[in-house]
Amino acid sequence: QVQLVESGGGVVQPGGSLRLSCAASGFTFSTYGFHWVRQAPGKGLEWVSFIRYDGFNKYYVDSVKGRFTISRDNSKSTLYLEMSSLRADDTAVYYCAKDSAPWEQGIYYFDYWGQGTLVTVSS
Amino acid sequence: AIQLTQSPSSLSASVGDRVTITCRPSQGISSALAWYQQKPGKAPKVLIYDVSILDSGVPSRFSGSGSGTDFTLTISSLQPEDFATYYCQQFNSYPITFGQGTRLEIK
Repeated sequence: QVQLVESGGGVVQPGGSLRLSCAASGFTFSTYGFHWVRQAPGKGLEWVSFIRYDGFNKYYVDSVKGRFTISRDNSKSTLYLEMSSLRADDTAVYYCAKDSAPWEQGIYYFDYWGQGTLVTVSS
Repeated sequence: AIQLTQSPSSLSASVGDRVTITCRPSQGISSALAWYQQKPGKAPKVLIYDVSILDSGVPSRFSGSGSGTDFTLTISSLQPEDFATYYCQQFNSYPITFGQGTRLEIK
């Protein structure tokens, strides 16, 4: 069965850095695009970033451009989010989410989500 | 970015009620609309995609409809396990966006 397990969250000071990971299993990781979605405490969902199945196309929400970098290692079936220059408003639960169709030919809805990892930016 | 306006933002209803949640995009999104259910402390779960297609295993009391800039999620007869927060999502273009959510509470 499909499993997505995020890790790497924690408490970091403003201006600091953190790397999140999402370990995938139960399907052919290298054929699917992936997303990061975050949810601030008590707030709604915000899409953060996307990476194509082969890592060549990447997209970001404006608020994280230049600060966050999405990447993947298909040999390890793992997705990453490198976050730097962190701010208080980056505090959220970060979810990885899988595209619903392989071999990206467009944009798809998300069919599986991880359980999330909490990032707290605070001094 | 395409904005999605969901209404209502919260809703109180009873078991057995029929409820409708609306999602209005700020511009056309073709049929690239999905609905997710989220329970406290859990990840969202897809219910409906491409406006009206039920995901595998989703009860038939859930349905989706709409076109253009007016979409709806309907639950025909509320069950206790349906009390949750619901989000619409557009995947027509980047940045992908979500509605602000509708919290469905027990009356």
